[in-house]
Amino acid sequence: GQQLNQNPQSMFIQEGEDVSMNCTSSSIFNTWLWYKQDPGEGPVLLIALYKAGELTSNGRLTAQFGITRKDSFLNISASIPSDVGIYFCAGQLIMNRDDKIIFGKGTRLHILP
Amino acid sequence: DTAVSQTPKYLVTQMGNDKSIKCEQNLGHDTMYWYKQDSKKFLKIMFSYNNKELIINETVPNRFSPKSPDKAHLNLHINSLELGDSAVYFCASSQDWGGGDTQYFGPGTRLTVL
Repeated sequence: GQQLNQNPQSMFIQEGEDVSMNCTSSSIFNTWLWYKQDPGEGPVLLIALYKAGELTSNGRLTAQFGITRKDSFLNISASIPSDVGIYFCAGQLIMNRDDKIIFGKGTRLHILP
Repeated sequence: DTAVSQTPKYLVTQMGNDKSIKCEQNLGHDTMYWYKQDSKKFLKIMFSYNNKELIINETVPNRFSPKSPDKAHLNLHINSLELGDSAVYFCASSQDWGGGDTQYFGPGTRLTVL
């Protein structure tokens, strides 16, 4: 089935560094969602984006809905140990009779001591 | 070559009916999940099965009953459907349980209860 390309698959960073990850697709979406999953938990919604070009922040997290509607970016500033986890993007298209949502495979964030 | 598939994609039904949603994964994973996505896009885990055994059973009405005939399938049966059950339901799978492995999500089933 169709997948989003989520990059990178894995990241190793030092505490305090900024983090950037992205999702791209050949299809357009009218909603982009970013989730974070901690071990043993289900994904938790971080940011929802509903408009092309939209830039939304949630604390140290900032996400953008790409102007082409085919991509989205998530940035984390000044990373801390609790940022460790798997970050998922999801693109959703609801238009006329078309309704689909596709998840990326996740970006696993590791923070080195 | 779909990794995680769900059927049906859309399900529209009347209150009080009983319905099932099927999920299959061809990834050889040991763990499967059901999630409910509400209108605000929040994902709530409902159930998790590891090698056909129930691992997680969150606070979900007992009208919802998962069934795992084998580790490649996890079906969700819902009795006496209510208006509040309307949502998108996602199936997912991962190699192992514990949240350490990437989950592969299905395309979702949009359930509408009238």
